[in-house]
Amino acid sequence: DTGVSQDPRHKITKRGQNVTFRCDPISEHNRLYWYRQTLGQGPEFLTYFQNEAQLEKSRLLSDRFSAERPKGSFSTLEIQRTEQGDSAMYLCASSLLGERTDTQYFGPGTRLTVL
Amino acid sequence: DAKTTQPNSMESNEEEPVHLPCNHSTISGTDYIHWYRQLPSQGPEYVIHGLTSNVNNRMASLAIAEDRKSSTLILHRATLRDAAVYYCILRGGTNSGGSNYKLTFGKGTLLTVNP
Repeated sequence: DTGVSQDPRHKITKRGQNVTFRCDPISEHNRLYWYRQTLGQGPEFLTYFQNEAQLEKSRLLSDRFSAERPKGSFSTLEIQRTEQGDSAMYLCASSLLGERTDTQYFGPGTRLTVL
Repeated sequence: DAKTTQPNSMESNEEEPVHLPCNHSTISGTDYIHWYRQLPSQGPEYVIHGLTSNVNNRMASLAIAEDRKSSTLILHRATLRDAAVYYCILRGGTNSGGSNYKLTFGKGTLLTVNP
């Protein structure tokens, strides 16, 4: 399968712990996005990379959140000192800059539960 | 961002056509109309997009009103696998400048398909 992959698929953690999620985009895609989705809502944009450069961060991304995309390939999203309000599905998507439709391809998501 | 309005839910019978409406009265001249859908326990997937003319692809058709203030996603023969949340999203074109890369999701329309 050459789609977007995310690891882990599920994560249960205790409040105050740090967690890190990984996203592997489609190999030739140079744009990578992170979204967060809570129950009953549509996904909300968190941050965007073009190659290795993080070009935008949403106000939703507090100081406890950090995202990286070293070498413009895979990306990681880290949440420090998790809170119960961080419980959500974290979705990663990728797209190809210059592709006419700029379609975003989403991974299956990482479901985070903070106890 | 220009906003869209969709019904919270719709119901259809298998093998019948489904028309999913979307209102976007504040659409700008450079905004494309994109549709994504999200099947249960999966990330969103691209369905179709258009600017002014009606569009067809293997998944669906998109009918755009002449004044572009509304559009309709048409599934010609609904199957049980089409049960999903459908999102109507406005995006600036690649030449429009600004943050046209991110997707701004609403709550979408939950489509139920009855056997």
